[in-house]
Amino acid sequence: SQELEQSPQSLIVQEGKNLTINCTSSKTLYGLYWYKQKYGEGLIFLMMLQKGGEEKSHEKITAKLDEKKQQSSLHITASQPSHAGIYLCGAVLPGSGNTGKLIFGQGTTLQVKP
Amino acid sequence: GAVVSQHPSRVICKSGTSVKIECRSLDFQATTMFWYRQFPKQSLMLMATSNEGSKATYEQGVEKDKFLINHASLTLSTLTVTSAHPEDSSFYICSARDRRGGETQYFGPGTRLLVL
Repeated sequence: SQELEQSPQSLIVQEGKNLTINCTSSKTLYGLYWYKQKYGEGLIFLMMLQKGGEEKSHEKITAKLDEKKQQSSLHITASQPSHAGIYLCGAVLPGSGNTGKLIFGQGTTLQVKP
Repeated sequence: GAVVSQHPSRVICKSGTSVKIECRSLDFQATTMFWYRQFPKQSLMLMATSNEGSKATYEQGVEKDKFLINHASLTLSTLTVTSAHPEDSSFYICSARDRRGGETQYFGPGTRLLVL
């Protein structure tokens, strides 16, 4: 079973609209990462959240981690075609010690229509 | 931000040959690097953890003799796919852990391997 569940799997929005992507785990996470990937390319680091209730923003993207550290959301305001891509959440699970090993959600493919 | 490079970006080889992929941290030192594999339209699967100066740690199901990892310096890790077969065709991505900036991992641009 997938340890990190992302929803939705894909999303098509009109330019200018807001959208939210969710990432959920049944376990408490030590750290939650959001990356963006263009198909066939590497991952671009967006944000890392570590504390329960933490919220970070960069330009028009805001990420939040809930108090229980089991769910995170990524919110894009006034989406633009440049936001299109695959969004991946990654997390450090309990028991991985200090290895830094990340597991990833299955990704959310975002298309933004001009 | 921290930069990680991979070389080559894409490679096509014949079945039975070996292919080496390099992962470099360009502006920071990385005592730990990670190798992932990604199939089309799927997420990243961790293959192994590469530790500078010691043996790599492989994930369950990953053949260590098939995927040789060497982490000879604080800025370079290599993945060698030995006796490659068509089923090894995939997108391989490395990441490096920058200890200066906490536990953030920075990813390389990936290497697309096609085995004919």
